Amino acid sequence: GEDVEQSLFLSVREGDSSVINCTYTDSSSTYLYWYKQEPGAGLQLLTYIFSNMDMKQDQRLTVLLNKKDKHLSLRIADTQTGDSAIYFCAESIRPGGGADGLTFGKGTHLIIQP
Amino acid sequence: NAGVTQTPKFRVLKTGQSMTLLCAQDMNHEYMYWYRQDPGMGLRLIHYSVGEGTTAKGEVPDGYNVSRLKKQNFLLGLESAAPSQTSVYFCASSLQTGFLSGYTFGSGTRLTVV
Repeated sequence: GEDVEQSLFLSVREGDSSVINCTYTDSSSTYLYWYKQEPGAGLQLLTYIFSNMDMKQDQRLTVLLNKKDKHLSLRIADTQTGDSAIYFCAESIRPGGGADGLTFGKGTHLIIQP
Repeated sequence: NAGVTQTPKFRVLKTGQSMTLLCAQDMNHEYMYWYRQDPGMGLRLIHYSVGEGTTAKGEVPDGYNVSRLKKQNFLLGLESAAPSQTSVYFCASSLQTGFLSGYTFGSGTRLTVV
């Protein structure tokens, strides 16, 4: 079945760039997402990318996709304390997840050091 | 626009008790989902619904039942709670082809079974 893998923790200094990595196994994955979960809250959609794209940039966020290696990354430039959260990678073969839902990774805790 | 509202936010149950978690969305979304989130396990899909009157099993459906009598509401029931069901439960909803919007999540229900 589908599997999405992420490192559990990432620690960066405030002002540095954070790079959160994700690998997936389903070669049919067409839609890839990054969600952010702040403490005590639900998940919020940060950004998404189609499998026919290599890169997507949105302000401080850059998503890179290597479809050959099934590797997705999220880069956060100039990391701030407000970026401290759990970041989930998710994939689907259908837009928005469809009836089968999204497959989520276990989430990466981003820890910001002053 | 409230989005997705979950009630209650917190609950403590004794083993064997029953309860119902309510999810309500006001965005006219077709699809609704129940996930559980456990440390180190990420998000796992319990049940989902693709429309009023329909439900389907997800990855971890055992011990749970659901109903979608009205489009805006998705109920998750625990008939006989067990300590293994201690978790944070998230409801989400999406448009049928909600690629751009992805999922909208509720803020979660923290359930402890003692």
